[in-house]
Amino acid sequence: KQEVTQIPAALSVPEGENLVLNCSFTDSAIYNLQWFRQDPGKGLTSLLLIQSSQREQTSGRLNASLDKSSGRSTLYIAASQPGDSATYLCAAYNFNKFYFGSGTKLNVKP
Amino acid sequence: EPEVTQTPSHQVTQMGQEVILRCVPISNHLYFYWYRQILGQKVEFLVSFYNNEISEKSEIFDDQFSVERPDGSNFTLKIRSTKLEDSAMYFCASRKTNGQGSGANVLTFGAGSRLTVL
Repeated sequence: KQEVTQIPAALSVPEGENLVLNCSFTDSAIYNLQWFRQDPGKGLTSLLLIQSSQREQTSGRLNASLDKSSGRSTLYIAASQPGDSATYLCAAYNFNKFYFGSGTKLNVKP
Repeated sequence: EPEVTQTPSHQVTQMGQEVILRCVPISNHLYFYWYRQILGQKVEFLVSFYNNEISEKSEIFDDQFSVERPDGSNFTLKIRSTKLEDSAMYFCASRKTNGQGSGANVLTFGAGSRLTVL
């Protein structure tokens, strides 16, 4: 069974800082990996999806990388803003379902 | 931007009552999912649905749960006899295909239905 772990569980940074969120998964036979953002009490907003054949994807200030062999993905956020404050979830897809990590709760201080 | 729509946004029910949560997936999507998130815990897979049948279900999805696509647009999750531990946020999600191509595999979630069982 796939296990997805995210560290750190929480992160607080001053505005403008670059930061990296980590996601690891135990079974490297994933089909793809998707990063989501979740605001308190809200649904999940898709940020980036990386296919198993890809190494990274970029969208604006976000860059996600994937290293299947080591079972790791990172989400890099450049020049963080208070509006980036949310919980960030990664989900690995295999065995016909997405397996979610517990998330990293990010607080960007003005 | 196409979106997945869920109703109700919040439902309060008594233990033992039946609950139906409704979802309207994105119109050209073919794969449908229900997930749930108990407060403070991980998002958990419940069931996937393709071609009018369940393709995968988790151990959480026992006989008290059922899904239907009654009319080609709605996708429902029914809990027959709710328990206190069913209190959670229930998310519907859909995606276009199971094939390659970055756009096709993006899983799009609805805003969720919060279920409170008293």
